[in-house]
Amino acid sequence: DGGITQSPKYLFRKEGQNVTLSCEQNLNHDAMYWYRQDPGQGLRLIYYSQIVNDFQKGDIAEGYSVSREKKESFPLTVTSAQKNPTAFYLCASSIFNSRNEQFFGPGTRLTVL
Amino acid sequence: KQEVTQIPAALSVPEGENLVLNCSFTDSAIYNLQWFRQDPGKGLTSLLLIQSSQREQTSGRLNASLDKSSGRSTLYIAASQPGDSATYLCALGGSEKLVFGKGTKLTVNP
Repeated sequence: DGGITQSPKYLFRKEGQNVTLSCEQNLNHDAMYWYRQDPGQGLRLIYYSQIVNDFQKGDIAEGYSVSREKKESFPLTVTSAQKNPTAFYLCASSIFNSRNEQFFGPGTRLTVL
Repeated sequence: KQEVTQIPAALSVPEGENLVLNCSFTDSAIYNLQWFRQDPGKGLTSLLLIQSSQREQTSGRLNASLDKSSGRSTLYIAASQPGDSATYLCALGGSEKLVFGKGTKLTVNP
């Protein structure tokens, strides 16, 4: 059963804490992405990775960090430096071919208390 | 910088109506265009992908078109059903990443 999984579905964080969101895919996709979605706004790219051990900043990388030690995993850490972390976080993956189609996970809703 | 606009932001129609959702973009140098569906609190489901060299794609009751010269794409939904109620997002693909519009929230009334 191939797909993208994100955990947890809901996450609550106290101010000043770092939290890590999990994203795993078993599609053998090369690239993985993290997006943030806020009400009334489109998805904004945080980080992306096209190969293992390499990643690039997206449009809103400040206050976030990532790693890509395995092809199937791309965890996102929301650090205490992120001023307004409450949002819906979506992970996606794609394979390098002529289509370059992105597929999305179910998302993690992070709330800062 | 690529900018993507979706109009209208919300649309309410009676069941059975044919409808068109619009997406406009500023930079025609694109790799592809994807239309997604998002249900409340869920992830995105890919509906259709049009590669840069293509003009349209069809899947069931859905048809998406792409006109790079005018910077526009449309998603046509035939014979709408209440189950089509969702937010529809278009995204322009460059060689590395997608740029999203803010979406059109569609409500199909029984």
